[in-house]
Amino acid sequence: GDSVTQMEGPVTLSEEAFLTINCTYTATGYPSLFWYVQYPGEGLQLLLKATKADDKGSNKGFEATYRKETTSFHLEKGSVQVSDSAVYFCALTIRPTGNQFYFGTGTSLTVIP
Amino acid sequence: GAVVSQHPSWVICKSGTSVKIECRSLDFQATTMFWYRQFPKQSLMLMATSNEGSKATYEQGVEKDKFLINHASLTLSTLTVTSAHPEDSSFYICSARLAGAGQPQHFGDGTRLSIL
Repeated sequence: GDSVTQMEGPVTLSEEAFLTINCTYTATGYPSLFWYVQYPGEGLQLLLKATKADDKGSNKGFEATYRKETTSFHLEKGSVQVSDSAVYFCALTIRPTGNQFYFGTGTSLTVIP
Repeated sequence: GAVVSQHPSWVICKSGTSVKIECRSLDFQATTMFWYRQFPKQSLMLMATSNEGSKATYEQGVEKDKFLINHASLTLSTLTVTSAHPEDSSFYICSARLAGAGQPQHFGDGTRLSIL
């Protein structure tokens, strides 16, 4: 079946450290991949997306590359800030309908000054 | 673009009360909306898919009579938690997506429901 496996947290980093949150997937069709971020007490916000192999999604200094050969979509940021503290969810949907979304379990990130 | 508004953001009520949560797509039409439940420090659990003009599709284990969903227009879906009890206390989140392959889901800010 279709699923997402996400690196377990929590992750604690010092400000300006490099961030990687691993995400791998299994898909029966052609997936589109997403990273969402959830700040405390809020809903999920789309952080970035990639819809086909080798696409790189980027936003606010975060990047993730859709790698079909390793079925991965790892989230990276070169220098994290305290304001990046949040929970990050990897997700996929299968084209063409795209209605069913599969979420990872979420990775909590805390950045300390 | 693609803003989803959810209301109310916080509800505290007595056991036995029915609570209605609204989900609106503000700048686009959504034939399909989704309702999720999230327990503390856990991922989202899809409860149901709300289809405009027809019955919602519920996930296995979700009580249809407990969680009533109405999607009467292309911009509004409602979730009513009927006769709520403390075990229904949770964070409920709705989402909607634009039509087309690869479109992301856009989420509301969630509703924190606390049943006393």
